[in-house]
Order: sequence, then C-alpha cells, then structure tokens
Amino acid sequence: AQKITQTQPGMFVQEKEAVTLDCTYDTSDPSYGLFWYKQPSSGEMIFLIYQGSYDQQNATEGRYSLNFQKARKSANLVISASQLGDSAMYFCAMRVSITGTASKLTFGTGTRLQVTL
Amino acid sequence: DTAVSQTPKYLVTQMGNDKSIKCEQNLGHDTMYWYKQDSKKFLKIMFSYNNKELIINETVPNRFSPKSPDKAHLNLHINSLELGDSAVYFCASSQSRAREQPQHFGDGTRLSIL
Repeated sequence: AQKITQTQPGMFVQEKEAVTLDCTYDTSDPSYGLFWYKQPSSGEMIFLIYQGSYDQQNATEGRYSLNFQKARKSANLVISASQLGDSAMYFCAMRVSITGTASKLTFGTGTRLQVTL
Repeated sequence: DTAVSQTPKYLVTQMGNDKSIKCEQNLGHDTMYWYKQDSKKFLKIMFSYNNKELIINETVPNRFSPKSPDKAHLNLHINSLELGDSAVYFCASSQSRAREQPQHFGDGTRLSIL
C-alpha cells in the first residue's frame, strides 16, 4: 500500500529564512509522482511543485525546491526566503497509477507552517 | 475564468436531509475526483471518473453517489446526511495521460450537519 508520512505537525520559521518540510513515502510502484500543495487559511489547495520518480534533477519552482532522495524515499520541500504569506498548511502527496487511465493522490497529514517577523 | 468551480461554497443542513454539490472544470481534463477533508485536515480520495466512467470508488458509504453527465462535470449527491459527513469536500481534475501535471482543485465545499 502507498503511504505518505509528514512527521512535523507544525513548524515555525522567521521571515527571510529558509525552511525544510519533511516528507517520506512508501510504494512498491517503480513509477510515481510526488507533489506538494499549499492550503492557506482561506481553504483552497494550491499546487506548488512536482517531482517524477525518474527525474534525475531536483525540481525547482521559484522559491520552492524539492530535495528528492530516492534511496531514502524522501521528498522534502525547501522554501527559501520565507514570507509572511507562506504561512499555511503544506501537504505532500504521491500519485500512483492504478490502471492505464486511473491514478490517485495519497496525501500526508500536512505540516502547518507559521512565518514570524 | 475559474478552472475548477464547485457550488455551493458552504452548505449547512440538518441530519437526514439529502444534498448535492456540483463541480465543473473548464481545463479540458478527462478525469475528475472527489476528495473529503476531515476536521483534522486529512484529505482522502472518494471517487474518480475518467471520461464519465467511474474508475475509483474508495470505501465510501452507499449514501454518497457521484454522477458525471459529461467529462467536464462531476456532481456529488449525499442521501440521509449524518453528523460524520461534516467536512470539506474538494473536487479536482487532471489529464490522465499527463502524469507530471498536477490535479487542479476547486475551492472546496464546507458541509456542516446540524
């Protein structure tokens, strides 16, 4: 069975500092995708970054980067130069194929990030 | 120009009632999903449709019935609402062949059962 683990229920970071949010996963499927989503207090789910299981390079999107360590089955999100607007819940998710057309996202329990002045 | 829109945003109703949540996407995706987010913020897939065909049906009570009239719409009907159904329900869509593309989520429907 596929599983995503986020061990940090809450994190604090000072404005302008970098922060790493941990994510480990478990799957026997050789082909999978890892996603990070942000959920601010307003409730919507915002896609941040994607890493494919066969990607050789770590994904980056602006201030977001993904530290992908395949052997350790970890996909940590790094946010550089934190801003007050980064305060939110962050979810790690894994997509695994079920059939040729069917796949599903399995989510971790989330990490609540609070950016302080 | 909202990509995935769901209505209503808030739904407050009494136990035992029947209610529906509607979802529409204008992204041209062929796959749509319903997720439930509980009070602890845990998100879990409920259903998925690909080109109007049900392809994922997690262990969800029979009181929940999804309906997809076309690939741009996926509605969720809930019969005999119970207190435990209180949650935020998210609709999402994606393109089945574009594995690297994310699922796009609607803004959620907060369902509160009195």
